[in-house]
Amino acid sequence: GGIITQTPKFLIGQEGQKLTLKCQQNFNHDTMYWYRQDSGKGLRLIYYSITENDLQKGDLSEGYDASREKKSSFSLTVTSAQKNEMAVFLCASSINWGGLYEQYFGPGTRLTVL
Amino acid sequence: GEQVEQRPPHLSVREGDSAVITCTYTDPNSYYFFWYKQEPGASLQLLMKVFSSTEINEGQGFTVLLNKKDKRLSLNLTAAHPGDSAAYFCAVSSNYGNEKITFGAGTKLTIKP
Repeated sequence: GGIITQTPKFLIGQEGQKLTLKCQQNFNHDTMYWYRQDSGKGLRLIYYSITENDLQKGDLSEGYDASREKKSSFSLTVTSAQKNEMAVFLCASSINWGGLYEQYFGPGTRLTVL
Repeated sequence: GEQVEQRPPHLSVREGDSAVITCTYTDPNSYYFFWYKQEPGASLQLLMKVFSSTEINEGQGFTVLLNKKDKRLSLNLTAAHPGDSAAYFCAVSSNYGNEKITFGAGTKLTIKP
């Protein structure tokens, strides 16, 4: 088995601040994802990466940057935090069963912007 | 692109009763289907998965039914217990080889004693 870790668990920032969230996985999965989950809502894809140094935009990429430094890690940057923004950011990685992808999720980073 | 509609958004049933959550999707090429469980304050846990060639999958007190003709996926809980209280999300993978999956908006299931 493996595990996905996300740091920090809680992140409090100021309006306009640049904030970085980190994700590490030891599954040796090729593909990694960042999602945003607003309170009581579903998941929206921000960025994903199919291999080291690859980046693909999701539906919600505006206002975010991402970086896949190595296979095991995927970072997300909020370029300018918005006041009253509160959401959970979930990192996932997926195993590829010959073209069928299953996603496994990390515990999340809860963001609050003051 | 793929659209997934999940109903109902909230569901409350008594312990021991059954519960059904349904998702409909739009892309007829959708190939791989998932149900995730999210307990309060926790992340998503893969609950069940079903391929397009499988109509029924059972496990952990749940049954997943897939109707490709109607493009409908359902999660059936036969006898609810308090540990089933959580949010449930369906997810659909369109096209073989597609790394992305599309999530439903979720159903918050509450089990009453």
